[in-house]
Amino acid sequence: SQTIHQWPATLVQPVGSPLSLECTVEGTSNPNLYWYRQAAGRGLQLLFYSVGIGQISSEVPQNLSASRPQDRQFILSSKKLLLSDSGFYLCAWSARLAGVSGANVLTFGAGSRLTVL
Amino acid sequence: GESVGLHLPTLSVQEGDNSIINCAYSNSASDYFIWYKQESGKGPQFIIDIRSNMDKRQGQRVTVLLNKTVKHLSLQIAATQPGDSAVYFCAEGSPGYSTLTFGKGTMLLVSP
Repeated sequence: SQTIHQWPATLVQPVGSPLSLECTVEGTSNPNLYWYRQAAGRGLQLLFYSVGIGQISSEVPQNLSASRPQDRQFILSSKKLLLSDSGFYLCAWSARLAGVSGANVLTFGAGSRLTVL
Repeated sequence: GESVGLHLPTLSVQEGDNSIINCAYSNSASDYFIWYKQESGKGPQFIIDIRSNMDKRQGQRVTVLLNKTVKHLSLQIAATQPGDSAVYFCAEGSPGYSTLTFGKGTMLLVSP
């Protein structure tokens, strides 16, 4: 069965410090990978998605970047955090199905709560 | 796509009641729809999905209804339980796009 791991679960960082959130998927190959952010009491904002190694699409220009160094690894980074980067970050994966051109069900990780002080 | 951030609407029900959570979507080309449940501090969990060639699909205690004419999706939960208390999101997908667009979410509060 497939599992998704995301860490760290909680992070408190000072303004101006770097960030690295990591996500790995097990039990599948060539997944689509996604990073979402969720502000308190709000909906899900898509930040980045990737359909393959080294292929990153950015949905919202901002202080963050993403990388996919391996097939099942997705990393969210920042060189200098801002207060507005605080939030709940969610990694997700979906399978690419033959004959299905659109999105398939996304499976989410447990989330990483980032507080920037 | 991105989800527009607004404070969440809330539905309050009594334990044992049936709950109906509604969602309006905007893209007439969307052909895939999902409902997610998110408990506090956790990632969203898949509940049920439906493709546009169907107008109804049933799971365990849940039913999703799709009305493509008015671009409306609903989630019905039978015999709602306190454990159903969570935020519920609808999401839509379109052919050729690898991403889902999420709705704003509805908070369901179930009183014992």
